[in-house]
Amino acid sequence: SAVISQKPSRDICQRGTSLTIQCQVDSQVTMMFWYRQQPGQSLTLIATANQGSEATYESGFVIDKFPISRPNLTFSTLTVSNMSPEDSSIYLCSVDQGRNDGYTFGSGTRLTVV
Amino acid sequence: KQEVTQIPAALSVPEGENLVLNCSFTDSAIYNLQWFRQDPGKGLTSLLLIQSSQREQTSGRLNASLDKSSGRSTLYIAASQPGDSATYLCAVRGSGDSSYKLIFGSGTRLLVRP
Repeated sequence: SAVISQKPSRDICQRGTSLTIQCQVDSQVTMMFWYRQQPGQSLTLIATANQGSEATYESGFVIDKFPISRPNLTFSTLTVSNMSPEDSSIYLCSVDQGRNDGYTFGSGTRLTVV
Repeated sequence: KQEVTQIPAALSVPEGENLVLNCSFTDSAIYNLQWFRQDPGKGLTSLLLIQSSQREQTSGRLNASLDKSSGRSTLYIAASQPGDSATYLCAVRGSGDSSYKLIFGSGTRLLVRP
């Protein structure tokens, strides 16, 4: 199955600043997904990123707050903009490996906003 | 709208016990169901994937079953070990227009005591 390298693994950021999270996949994939996991909660899908088109955002998430880039079939970034303490979460990227292998996730980025 | 529930929310068992984690979903029209393990502050590791046409999957000490008609899946862990301590998440993939999306349960936090 695909291997996803996600970085940074963790960061502590000041409120009002932005952080860009990167995910690199070792094979070409059509769709990449970005999830948020707030403390003590399960995963919530932020957006789906396709190469060559705008990302599709889920209800409650907007491009101005979470801009996403997908320059090629192996790489994507998620930026958390103008951060507040409420943005403190684990952010994860994921790819669909197909019917037989399901989804694979990156190792996550643990973000703390102070 | 698909909803996924996991019971219990937390479980503490002595080493060596066999245990069962439960997952239920409200819409039986699923494509597949995937069980994940998450260590604290980390990403997700895929454990087992069950297609909608399958009844169970096994990997080592893990066995996952699926009863699509009743909207239930169980993860059976045999001879539990302290290294099994983690949060276990189930996720379903729908079969409709949003079939690429995973809907997650809230997880079962497992502690295996030495």
